[in-house]
Amino acid sequence: EVVLTQSPGTLSLSPGERATLSCRASQSVSSSYLAWYQQKPGQAPRLLMYGASTRATGFPDRFRASGSGTNFTLTISRLEPEDFAVYYCQQYGRGFTFGPGTKVDIK
Amino acid sequence: QEQLVESGGGVVQPGRSLRLSCAASGFSFSNYAMHWVRQAPGKGLEWVAVISYDGNNKDHADSVKGRFTISRDNSKNTLYLQMNSLRAEDTAVYYCARVKLPGAFDYWGQGTLVTVSS
Repeated sequence: EVVLTQSPGTLSLSPGERATLSCRASQSVSSSYLAWYQQKPGQAPRLLMYGASTRATGFPDRFRASGSGTNFTLTISRLEPEDFAVYYCQQYGRGFTFGPGTKVDIK
Repeated sequence: QEQLVESGGGVVQPGRSLRLSCAASGFSFSNYAMHWVRQAPGKGLEWVAVISYDGNNKDHADSVKGRFTISRDNSKNTLYLQMNSLRAEDTAVYYCARVKLPGAFDYWGQGTLVTVSS
């Protein structure tokens, strides 16, 4: 089973700041099979990025993702109030697993 | 517009059964693989099961294998999750989700809460 580890667990930032979220895999994951999801309280997760770096419909270009092998990164260039949420990475190359999530909250 | 609506959740005693449904609309349901994902209260996401577009291929997480069964009825545009021998640790919000090839989950339902408690 591919285990995903996300860091930090919580990121406390102010609007306008840059957020950098990390996702590490226990085994190499094809970049084609890595996704990120955003989840706000009381809502279902929402697909944010797939194929490691392709933005899903409705998300602005302040969201960027990159990475390969076992190290992947989600970057939010300038946090807007609506970006404060929990972010999960997911791999779907060898089975399906989610990381534990990174909460981005307001400092 | 694509929509997934789960139903069937509720409070159930340990050891009992429950069947969840996920009604799909706004897209060609029979063309897509589908998943169930759950989220225990205050916890992260856990993949539960997947079924191919035609229902011929299925897989389940080890934590539910032998107890839960995913199925679908393409004539009714509906996905199911039969849950037997429920345990307290199965308490969660259960989401159905559609697969965007090659495998990301592009549409999710709003979830249905299953509480296993005596």
